[in-house]
Amino acid sequence: EAGVAQSPRYKIIEKRQSVAFWCNPISGHATLYWYQQILGQGPKLLIQFQNNGVVDDSQLPKDRFSAERLKGVDSTLKIQPAKLEDSAVYLCASSLAGGRASYNEQFFGPGTRLTVL
Amino acid sequence: DQQVKQNSPSLSVQEGRISILNCDYTNSMFDYFLWYKKYPAEGPTFLISISSIKDKNEDGRFTVFLNKSAKHLSLHIVPSQPGDSAVYFCAASGILVENTNAGKSTFGDGTTLTVKP
Repeated sequence: EAGVAQSPRYKIIEKRQSVAFWCNPISGHATLYWYQQILGQGPKLLIQFQNNGVVDDSQLPKDRFSAERLKGVDSTLKIQPAKLEDSAVYLCASSLAGGRASYNEQFFGPGTRLTVL
Repeated sequence: DQQVKQNSPSLSVQEGRISILNCDYTNSMFDYFLWYKKYPAEGPTFLISISSIKDKNEDGRFTVFLNKSAKHLSLHIVPSQPGDSAVYFCAASGILVENTNAGKSTFGDGTTLTVKP
């Protein structure tokens, strides 16, 4: 079974530039998550999708971050414009169910390490 | 305010001995707890979980203990092996439909375990 795929693995940009990350979850997984992990901290949930609908985006800085999951499969996370404090690893995860129905373990991708100069 | 805390940033043990990693939580609505293991440049991988209806769950060398009254859980690894050296994240979630934490996890900041040969 293929795991969660993310690209790019690394990205270096200057502040005020834009950047986009891509995630392909495990086939058949209905729930997709984007996390931000700052160095020395645990992953912090940015947004959770159930199929192609948003379940929770309460911690997404909506003035600069956006995410979409078209057709309920792949997802993209965009930052525009980037700030220095956005430097972090962006992790995508998927699970079989989730949402408000039940809990299943999450499978994480390798992450994208973003450096904002 | 952090709802899930791992107060020990690092732990070093000798191969063959027991490793005990601790985690505290503050939100009494959490009723499902997980441990994830993370190697450098990889995403976290699920290790073991426990529901609040249990106080212990065992899987091979890994055992998780839950003390609901103290809002504390611990992960025991016996015997510890050098390959166990990684960052361990504690995560808390909800499993019931009416639980607002259902389907999503709140992570601690992790404990770096080093197992010396």
